[in-house]
Amino acid sequence: QQQVKQSPQSLIVQKGGISIINCAYENTAFDYFPWYQQFPGKGPALLIAIRPDVSEKKEGRFTISFNKSAKQFSLHIMDSQPGDSATYFCAASMGNSGYALNFGKGTSLLVTP
Amino acid sequence: DGGITQSPKYLFRKEGQNVTLSCEQNLNHDAMYWYRQDPGQGLRLIYYSQIVNDFQKGDIAEGYSVSREKKESFPLTVTSAQKNPTAFYLCASSMPVGGYTFGSGTRLTVV
Repeated sequence: QQQVKQSPQSLIVQKGGISIINCAYENTAFDYFPWYQQFPGKGPALLIAIRPDVSEKKEGRFTISFNKSAKQFSLHIMDSQPGDSATYFCAASMGNSGYALNFGKGTSLLVTP
Repeated sequence: DGGITQSPKYLFRKEGQNVTLSCEQNLNHDAMYWYRQDPGQGLRLIYYSQIVNDFQKGDIAEGYSVSREKKESFPLTVTSAQKNPTAFYLCASSMPVGGYTFGSGTRLTVV
């Protein structure tokens, strides 16, 4: 059972545009929501994370929006650049080491010049 | 530099053969994890360990085994019982609260 559902599966955005990736979860006990970025042949790297006590977190061009009532969260990449082309994974967990992260299936982002 | 080292980067397995993937971390992290990545499937949890000498099965543990004899090391053995082992395997570690640090992965191919 997929505990975190991610969409779209792939996304093409022009340079300078906004990339938006959405995730939804069912388990209301989840309290930690990170996003990971993965380049081909490499391991994922933590990009940005949020906890449900805030509705938005911004780090540079990357913003997480969180809607607790809808059990949804999304990643917005502003001013998308070709170097942002990668696979992005959302994830969720109960926030401590007793519980492993549950990952979405990933979104392959291509930013065209 | 602190980090996670996975070896080998590429591994080839013959039918019926057991192989072991290495994962070492020098981050002093308590928890370690193994994930399998297949195209379009995301990352699926195989096993994880919170402390030395203890580990739990993940969603797809069948055909795999692990050990955690040292805090720094969490090797994964892909046994002959795993019928479709060709995949990209990722090891990760974490502190009690916070994100994962991933290794660079091992690509396993059955020949």
